[in-house]
Amino acid sequence: EVQLVQSGAEVKKPGATVKISCKVSGYSFIDYNIHWVQQAPGKGLEWMGLVKPEDGRPIVADKFQGRVTITADTSTDTAYMELRSLRSEDTAVYFCSVTGVMSGTDAFDVWGQGTMVTVSS
Amino acid sequence: EIVLTQSPGSLSLSPGERASLSCRASQSLSSRFLAWYQQKPGQAPRLLVYGGSSRATGIPDRFSGSGSGTDFTLTISRLEPEDFAVYYCQQYATSWTFGQGTKVEIK
Repeated sequence: EVQLVQSGAEVKKPGATVKISCKVSGYSFIDYNIHWVQQAPGKGLEWMGLVKPEDGRPIVADKFQGRVTITADTSTDTAYMELRSLRSEDTAVYFCSVTGVMSGTDAFDVWGQGTMVTVSS
Repeated sequence: EIVLTQSPGSLSLSPGERASLSCRASQSLSSRFLAWYQQKPGQAPRLLVYGGSSRATGIPDRFSGSGSGTDFTLTISRLEPEDFAVYYCQQYATSWTFGQGTKVEIK
């Protein structure tokens, strides 16, 4: 069974950095891209970026360029998303997702359970 | 960037009724790059349809996707109690973007 398990909720102060993990199982980690999606409270889904575990190459959405780092550790089958210079607007649930593992497309086949990040002074 | 606009914003229907959810793209895209997701409160989204009309694993056949060009539709033929949720369309032709969602509520 394909599973993505994310790290737990975080509370951070403005200006801090948060790093969220996404550990996968049930498939070959290096063969499929991992994406990150932001969902602010009561709002929709926003794509943040992806990492290709095979070569570690990230692609980050324009909105998050310069503040987000997405990485993959093939020794532990875990992807990471780091968000810096946190502000109140970054309060959101962050999801990881894998594409292609079941559908063979770039649709988001399986999702992690989400990680709530609260930014508050 | 391809912008997806979903309508209506919310839909009030009774179990057993048919639901039609619309997703309009700001530019033409192949249906091969269009997906639909369902999200319930406190849960992660779940893939329902990819490639415009292919159901994901385990998705019942009351869910169907259709459309082409700039207009796409998710149809739920007969609503079950567990279908009341928020639905998002997504394109993956050029980067990845989501529509703003349609909430299907119990009438």
